[in-house]
Amino acid sequence: QKEVEQNSGPLSVPEGAIASLNCTYSDRVSQSFFWYRQYSGKSPELIMSIYSNGDKEDGRFTAQLNKASQYVSLLIRDSQPSDSATYLCAVKREQTGANNLFFGTGTRLTVIP
Amino acid sequence: DVKVTQSSRYLVKRTGEKVFLECVQDMDHENMFWYRQDPGLGLRLIYFSYDVKMKEKGDIPEGYSVSREKKERFSLILESASTNQTSMYLCASSLNREQFFGPGTRLTVL
Repeated sequence: QKEVEQNSGPLSVPEGAIASLNCTYSDRVSQSFFWYRQYSGKSPELIMSIYSNGDKEDGRFTAQLNKASQYVSLLIRDSQPSDSATYLCAVKREQTGANNLFFGTGTRLTVIP
Repeated sequence: DVKVTQSSRYLVKRTGEKVFLECVQDMDHENMFWYRQDPGLGLRLIYFSYDVKMKEKGDIPEGYSVSREKKERFSLILESASTNQTSMYLCASSLNREQFFGPGTRLTVL
């Protein structure tokens, strides 16, 4: 079982719709969760972090965390073509120091104009 | 804003060459990381460092070494490059829980 699992997609949504990206993780003691956006040929860019159960909103982005079910999701409201990218879910490795993260392999999102 | 820079965006080397990849961060972060990213395999941790002169192996350290002589600089060394080390190499730094990435170096080994 992988430490972090994501559906690789591609996920296609029409412009203006809500895009929903999901991630599950295996380590029950994980406490810190992150979403990165990666455009083709570019490096990952941190867009959301979440540490407590529930929702965290930042502009058009909402991160949702459910530790009991071991999943974290990212909702993108009013999706724009510029949101087309690969979204990486990352989970902090609690057993090691230095803020090490496990990364999922990413979900490719395409927003259709 | 955090700024992480890497010495080259693109690099082409020959099999057997010694390769140096440099990473510099300007935010006084204690922790620095080297990853490689390959299609279908995602980001894999090669080495990390939590302080000057301190280094720890990640998940795939074979064929690589690192150096951290100054807090802001973390170098990845391929002692004898091989074709299976062709990849995108990403450096990141972190103070608390969040990691910030440099632009990446796409290395091709012929």
